[in-house]
Amino acid sequence: GAVVSQHPSWVICKSGTSVKIECRSLDFQATTMFWYRQFPKQSLMLMATSNEGSKATYEQGVEKDKFLINHASLTLSTLTVTSAHPEDSSFYICSAPRASDSPLHFGNGTRLTVT
Amino acid sequence: AQSVTQLGSHVSVSEGALVLLRCNYSSSVPPYLFWYVQYPNQGLQLLLKYTTGATLVKGINGFEAEFKKSETSFHLTKPSAHMSDAAEYFCAVSEGTGNQFYFGTGTSLTVIP
Repeated sequence: GAVVSQHPSWVICKSGTSVKIECRSLDFQATTMFWYRQFPKQSLMLMATSNEGSKATYEQGVEKDKFLINHASLTLSTLTVTSAHPEDSSFYICSAPRASDSPLHFGNGTRLTVT
Repeated sequence: AQSVTQLGSHVSVSEGALVLLRCNYSSSVPPYLFWYVQYPNQGLQLLLKYTTGATLVKGINGFEAEFKKSETSFHLTKPSAHMSDAAEYFCAVSEGTGNQFYFGTGTSLTVIP
């Protein structure tokens, strides 16, 4: 069964509003979670690494103030897209390793559409 | 630095035919290698992984891959394609710490009935 749960699976919002996406590890503690963005027919682009109890590490070119990441507990990381615009429409996927040398387990993704 | 190259963004095979999806990597350390499958509007599901030991690894749904260090390759194969295999496939490499993964650009597999 799924070990990483992501919610919501899809969301439609108006331009200028904020959207929060949750990523939960279901049966393990994840000190690190990863947030990816995927454009249609393209690969995954790592946006940021979410670290429990400390600041997220953002990849070059990713706006920290636009994509707010909070990893407040060992089982939950959230990504908030602030003041969303149509160009933020995309598929966002979170992932976490169950152990230090285990594969990444992925959530089912969130399809964000900004109108 | 690590990177992954997947040759062929689109592969079409007939149902029952051999599936071969190519993956080459570069890594400055012994790599951990993975294949993931993605169905439309879903996350990625692990097919198989290579960490250490036997270089031929078997995964779910009849897929297998062989780690060839001399060729820096980790090609994915399946003897007989099934319609349900149609999906997007991603090869990935990591340093084995569970930290950053590097993904290939993906290969879209189409199975022709």
